[in-house]
Amino acid sequence: GAVVSQHPSWVICKSGTSVKIECRSLDFQATTMFWYRQFPKQSLMLMATSNEGSKATYEQGVEKDKFLINHASLTLSTLTVTSAHPEDSSFYICSARPGLNYEQYFGPGTRLTVT
Amino acid sequence: RKEVEQDPGPFNVPEGATVAFNCTYSNSASQSFFWYRQDCRKEPKLLMSVYSSGNEDGRFTAQLNRASQYISLLIRDSKLSDSATYLCVVNRRTNFGNEKLTFGTGTRLTIIP
Repeated sequence: GAVVSQHPSWVICKSGTSVKIECRSLDFQATTMFWYRQFPKQSLMLMATSNEGSKATYEQGVEKDKFLINHASLTLSTLTVTSAHPEDSSFYICSARPGLNYEQYFGPGTRLTVT
Repeated sequence: RKEVEQDPGPFNVPEGATVAFNCTYSNSASQSFFWYRQDCRKEPKLLMSVYSSGNEDGRFTAQLNRASQYISLLIRDSKLSDSATYLCVVNRRTNFGNEKLTFGTGTRLTIIP
C-alpha cells in the first residue's frame, strides 16, 4: 500500500514552454501533497505544500506564478512549470500524506530537462 | 548555516564493516527525525525514524540527542545492497501550521566487496 505515482518520469522541453507534472496517490487519499526539487548533488528542497481544495503554500524563493500547483482532488496534484528555462532543469519529486501524523510517501520523481 | 548538516562523504567501506553517520540540526523546534536512503536517480525511501531512546531495526541503529541536536545512524555488518546516499531529515511545524521536512545533503556510502 501507500503508492504514489508521478507522470511523466522524464521530460525534455524547449525553453519558454510549459510542462505539467502529475502526482497521484494510488491507494490512499492524500489530504496534503508536497512538491520538492533536487538539483544534482544537492538535497531535496521543499517547493510548496498543497492541501486539497486550498491554495498551495510556497517556500521562500519559489515563484508561485512560475510553479503552478493544483490539488483539486484527494488523489491528484499537478505542478506546472511555466515558461521553463534551462535553470529549471531538475529532479522534481512529489510526496503525499494520508493525514497529519502519517509518513510522507514519495513518488518516483520526474526528471525535467529544459533545452 | 544549513538547517541540517551531514558529512557528504563518500564513505567507502568493506563489506561486513560497521559504519556510522552523523548529522546535526540547527532548529531546536524540530519535532521528529528520520533517516532516509536514496539510490542514484531515485526517490528517497524512509529507512527509520529516530527517537531519543534510540531505536534499532535489524542491522541499523539510530540515536537522537536533543540537547546536542545530533542524530546518528549505525550500520552493522554492511552489505553491498547498503550502498546508497543516506539522508538525515528533520520535521517541524511551520508558521503556517504545515509540517515541513528538511533534508540534509546526504552521505554517500559505497560498500566494497
